[in-house]
Amino acid sequence: AAGVIQSPRHLIKEKRETATLKCYPIPRHDTVYWYQQGPGQDPQFLISFYEKMQSDKGSIPDRFSAQQFSDYHSELNMSSLELGDSALYFCASSLVKGHYGYTFGSGTRLTVV
Amino acid sequence: DAKTTQPTSMDCAEGRAANLPCNHSTISGNEYVYWYRQIHSQGPQYIIHGLKNNETNEMASLIITEDRKSSTLILPHATLRDTAVYYCIVRVSRDSSYKLIFGSGTRLLVRP
Repeated sequence: AAGVIQSPRHLIKEKRETATLKCYPIPRHDTVYWYQQGPGQDPQFLISFYEKMQSDKGSIPDRFSAQQFSDYHSELNMSSLELGDSALYFCASSLVKGHYGYTFGSGTRLTVV
Repeated sequence: DAKTTQPTSMDCAEGRAANLPCNHSTISGNEYVYWYRQIHSQGPQYIIHGLKNNETNEMASLIITEDRKSSTLILPHATLRDTAVYYCIVRVSRDSSYKLIFGSGTRLLVRP
């Protein structure tokens, strides 16, 4: 079965650079969620999109932005990177209607040096 | 948003049942209890969810108390591959979004 695809798997950036993470949800899923997981921490909700519109926002820094495109893939853009942005970034997708579990991708490990 | 409380860590012997408790005393009537697990640095994996009835699937069973203030996830025959952090989450719904808020979870160690 198709899963949530995230790219790249690993990314190394320098401070003050920009990074773009991509997420391809499961076909027909209408909602995408982004999570950040720092070293030794639990996943923290960043932002979500439902039918290409932002539906909820968590503790996402102003330096970060995200969008969902017409083909339902989503991108998380991170500017002016800081050392503290080093983390695993997970994307998940689901269907809003009904009660289904989220499917998470394998994540992108971002390292800021 | 209903909060959950779980033990920080637990362990069990391989082949035995693992029973992971969760308290969610402020849960409201239309909120579901979800269980996810995360095996080291992998994406969280959905296990099971329920509203008020007990549920079972190929991975686990979920027992929810009648007052819905607590639940227990049961892995009937734990294997070494079940070593992971297990998260009990009350699903928060708002408009068209059903975000999951992860708490601290229970680190389960399955011993050989």
